[in-house]
Amino acid sequence: GIQVEQSPPDLILQEGANSTLRCNFSDSVNNLQWFHQNPWGQLINLFYIPSGTKQNGRLSATTVATERYSLLYISSSQTTDSGVYFCAVERAGGTSYGKLTFGQGTILTVHP
Amino acid sequence: SQTIHQWPATLVQPVGSPLSLECTVEGTSNPNLYWYRQAAGRGLQLLFYSVGIGQISSEVPQNLSASRPQDRQFILSSKKLLLSDSGFYLCAWSVGGARGYGYTFGSGTRLTVV
Repeated sequence: GIQVEQSPPDLILQEGANSTLRCNFSDSVNNLQWFHQNPWGQLINLFYIPSGTKQNGRLSATTVATERYSLLYISSSQTTDSGVYFCAVERAGGTSYGKLTFGQGTILTVHP
Repeated sequence: SQTIHQWPATLVQPVGSPLSLECTVEGTSNPNLYWYRQAAGRGLQLLFYSVGIGQISSEVPQNLSASRPQDRQFILSSKKLLLSDSGFYLCAWSVGGARGYGYTFGSGTRLTVV
């Protein structure tokens, strides 16, 4: 199956700092999503971004599909940004059912 | 608006006991439904998905089964739980097409098998 690698595995920041999270994947994809899991376990969809660039407030994401990676940028981080960030993909080809393969996540801790 | 309900939030069950976790979706029709498991707070693993009533596909061999008796109801079951079934179980739904399978997850069930 498709492999998804996220880096770094852990990241500690001071409030106000910027960060970049990376997701590499091993095959062509037709679906790539970024999620944030808060400390209570709730997963929130941040971006659907199989290619191109999107921005939502302090967060933005870029996927370079031809090079098989995606980046999530967090600017001016806040303590509420803490949690685990997941990249998840669905391999291209065949019928698409939204079956996502998740990376192992990046644990982000933002200190005040 | 679309919402997803999942219960119970936490569950402690003895080895060998049965399991039934329920997930219901509101505000949408004919969603794709999924059960994921998360172990040790890291990556999620897809267990089952369903594209319609009675249509269940299993992604990994295991001690669990799933059923979809109604369009917006998805149930995860086991006849006899194993210690290895412990974990955080998440139900999700998505709708494909132009919206690109945007995912919504339930709040999860934390299962501990003792």
